[in-house]
Amino acid sequence: GNSVTQMEGPVTLSEEAFLTINCTYTATGYPSLFWYVQYPGEGLQLLLKATKADDKGSNKGFEATYRKETTSFHLEKGSVQVSDSAVYFCALRGDAGGTSYGKLTFGQGTILTVHP
Amino acid sequence: NAGVTQTPKFQVLKTGQSMTLQCAQDMNHNSMYWYRQDPGMGLRLIYYSASEGTTDKGEVPNGYNVSRLNKREFSLRLESAAPSQTSVYFCASSLAAPSSYEQYFGPGTRLTVT
Repeated sequence: GNSVTQMEGPVTLSEEAFLTINCTYTATGYPSLFWYVQYPGEGLQLLLKATKADDKGSNKGFEATYRKETTSFHLEKGSVQVSDSAVYFCALRGDAGGTSYGKLTFGQGTILTVHP
Repeated sequence: NAGVTQTPKFQVLKTGQSMTLQCAQDMNHNSMYWYRQDPGMGLRLIYYSASEGTTDKGEVPNGYNVSRLNKREFSLRLESAAPSQTSVYFCASSLAAPSSYEQYFGPGTRLTVT
C-alpha cells in the first residue's frame, strides 16, 4: 500500500533560517503529492501541491518539487518567520486505477518551532 | 462562510460510554471524511462518504460507525468507547471524490477515554 515518511522532528530554527523538511513516499503509479500545515488549535490547511513528476508547488514562500526518481517531495523555505511555527504534514493521493484512488495518506507530521 | 464545523471541541468519556461526533459543512461539497490523528502517526482515514447516501470504510474503521445524515452533515459514532480511541478527530470535505479537489478540514475534536 501507499506510505509517506517524514523526517523526525521537532525542528527548531531561528527566524530567517533556511528550512528543509524531508518527505519520501512509496506508491504505485503516479500519485499527487501535498504539504498540509496545521497551526496550533486549528485543522489542516493545504499549503501546496504537485500532481506530476518535476512539478514544483509553491505558496507563502514555501516550495517543494515532485521528484519521481528519488520518490521525494521535500519542503523548503529560504527564510522562516515566527508565524511559520506549526505542524507540517506530507501527504499523497493515489492515482486513478488503484484501490487508493482519491484517498489521502499522511506522513506522521513534523513540528516546526521558529524563535525570534 | 463557516467551512467545516465540528462539535464538540473537547470530550472526556469513560470506557464503555457512547457518543456521537458531529460534522457539518456549508460549501455544498459532495464528499466528507473522518480522520483520527495520533502522535507520531499522522492522520488516518476512519470512514468516508463519497456522496450523500454512501459510506465506505477507510484504514481504521473498527469501533466506529458513521451516518451521512444529508449532504451537509456526516456524524461519527463510538458505540462503546475504549482508551485506544483517545485521539484528535478531524472531519474534512471536498467537492467530489475520487478527484483532484482539495480537502477542507474542520478544527478537530479532542477525545479522551479513561
